[in-house]
Amino acid sequence: AQSVAQPEDQVNVAEGNPLTVKCTYSVSGNPYLFWYVQYPNRGLQFLLKYITGDNLVKGSYGFEAEFNKSQTSFHLKKPSALVSDSALYFCAVRGRTGANNLFFGTGTRLTVIP
Amino acid sequence: DADVTQTPRNRITKTGKRIMLECSQTKGHDRMYWYRQDPGLGLRLIYYSFDVKDINKGEISDGYSVSRQAQAKFSLSLESAIPNQTALYFCATSDGAGGHTDTQYFGPGTRLTVL
Repeated sequence: AQSVAQPEDQVNVAEGNPLTVKCTYSVSGNPYLFWYVQYPNRGLQFLLKYITGDNLVKGSYGFEAEFNKSQTSFHLKKPSALVSDSALYFCAVRGRTGANNLFFGTGTRLTVIP
Repeated sequence: DADVTQTPRNRITKTGKRIMLECSQTKGHDRMYWYRQDPGLGLRLIYYSFDVKDINKGEISDGYSVSRQAQAKFSLSLESAIPNQTALYFCATSDGAGGHTDTQYFGPGTRLTVL
């Protein structure tokens, strides 16, 4: 079975500090991994995805994520947080075979404090 | 994403009523999806369609039906709404070219309340 865990419901960080939003996954074989962001009253916006190759993936708005196969993790990071980064972040996984479904985590609410 | 639109954006209905949520896209994508979002549960897949003639059940299809009227349109129906179908519903699309690497693009959502 495929699944994603986002262990933190809420992350608070001061503006200008680095931020990390955690994600671990479970999938048979190698995964495809995605991060989405949801701003209030908006749909999900795609940030970045890991397919293969370099374990550090760079995405939109200065975000990046690091794939760690041994720890089955795909944490989202940004070197310097902005107040405008405050939103709900979702990690998602899809296996390379079988059903094409994306499996989402429960989301992490990021609050950047001015 | 403005290329994926959903109507209505908000809807309040009563138990037992039939309701249809509509999704349209101008991205030219073959694949379309319906998800529901509940607090603390993330997004769960209801139905998906890989082309006009292809409809597949997702994780939580009971109580829902869909219709793919055209490449650009994918509707979700609740035949007899019940309160636990109160949720935020999202439509998404993908082009299918990447297979399992596909990125899905989401509409703005429909907030449905069943009283």
